[in-house]
Amino acid sequence: AQSVAQPEDQVNVAEGNPLTVKCTYSVSGNPYLFWYVQYPNRGLQFLLKYITGDNLVKGSYGFEAEFNKSQTSFHLKKPSALVSDSALYFCAVSRNAGNMLTFGGGTRLMVKP
Amino acid sequence: DAGVIQSPRHEVTEMGQEVTLRCKPISGHNSLFWYRQTMMRGLELLIYFNNNVPIDDSGMPEDRFSAKMPNASFSTLKIQPSEPRDSAVYFCASRIVNTEAFFGQGTRLTVV
Repeated sequence: AQSVAQPEDQVNVAEGNPLTVKCTYSVSGNPYLFWYVQYPNRGLQFLLKYITGDNLVKGSYGFEAEFNKSQTSFHLKKPSALVSDSALYFCAVSRNAGNMLTFGGGTRLMVKP
Repeated sequence: DAGVIQSPRHEVTEMGQEVTLRCKPISGHNSLFWYRQTMMRGLELLIYFNNNVPIDDSGMPEDRFSAKMPNASFSTLKIQPSEPRDSAVYFCASRIVNTEAFFGQGTRLTVV
């Protein structure tokens, strides 16, 4: 079985400050890891992914994520938060030989001016 | 490509009625997923298909729910009979194996 944990329901950050949204996973084999963002009344939008290679992955809108195999984590980061980053963020995992995509419970990011 | 297309965007129906949600995946994608999103339970995987074949339907809540994928360009999720607790946003997503999934805009279902 595979699973994703997002331990924080909500993260509050002041605009201009760095942000981190946490994600840990459990999967057999090599993980394929993804981050998605959801704005109100919209579908999920892909932000970035880790498949193989460099542990630091850069994605859309200035976001990046670091794959840490020993800690089975894939935390989402951004050096300077914007109010417009306020949204719901989902981490997801897929097993490399399988195709099932499992999502975490989501973390609401609130960026205050 | 227009992306994953879902219809209808909104559906309001009375308890006991049959509801059919539709999805057109991105051309060339060989996997299709149906998810349900609610405030209480978050994003739940209902069923997914590989090459039009259902692989895992363990997330389908009850026999009232059924999903089909008659060809590579179309899938349906049917609820019969519908109940108020089925009210949620239903998302369809498609992908090529081990790449990112692309989501549709969702169908907001309200059962009264």
